Amino acid sequence: GAVVSQHPSWVICKSGTSVKIECRSLDFQATTMFWYRQFPKQSLMLMATSNEGSKATYEQGVEKDKFLINHASLTLSTLTVTSAHPEDSSFYICSGETGLAFEQYFGPGTRLTVT
Amino acid sequence: KQEVTQIPAALSVPEGENLVLNCSFTDSAIYNLQWFRQDPGKGLTSLLLIQSSQREQTSGRLNASLDKSSGRSTLYIAASQPGDSATYLCAVLPNTDKLIFGTGTRLQVFP
Repeated sequence: GAVVSQHPSWVICKSGTSVKIECRSLDFQATTMFWYRQFPKQSLMLMATSNEGSKATYEQGVEKDKFLINHASLTLSTLTVTSAHPEDSSFYICSGETGLAFEQYFGPGTRLTVT
Repeated sequence: KQEVTQIPAALSVPEGENLVLNCSFTDSAIYNLQWFRQDPGKGLTSLLLIQSSQREQTSGRLNASLDKSSGRSTLYIAASQPGDSATYLCAVLPNTDKLIFGTGTRLQVFP
């Protein structure tokens, strides 16, 4: 099956610093990648959708200047949390879509803790 | 606006029981519906995907049904095992490409 990896799996950073999270599709080309965040005991909330070579489309309420998304190739998307604050602490999950049947394949997630 | 609800929110059962997890959605105009499993602190594992034209899908001890007209899907787990303990999420794909997730059912199967 299609495999998506994320790096790092967990990260702790100080308030005010920036953190980059990578999402890679290992055995397929992801024409579209999605970024979600998940708070404890809550469901996934879509943050943004990115297509390779295009600017990301952000969901309402998500600050695009704070959560920078780059989809430079068909196998790599990055999410940079800029000037992180404790309220940004969350579980961030990415997914990739091949474009066939609109099925998404999810990464293992990245736990971000901002101190 | 599409909303997805899952009942029950939590379930604790002894090993061996057959289980029913429910998912309801408010807008029947969907492209497909997926069931996922999420272990604590982990990402999502896709269990079953049902296209809008299908009524059910089966994989091993899992069977998912879809009734679009009533806005419902059911995930059946046969002969539950402690290893089935996880959170189960359903998600619908409206006629766009943005998945909308349900609230989840936290399942615990004890020996």
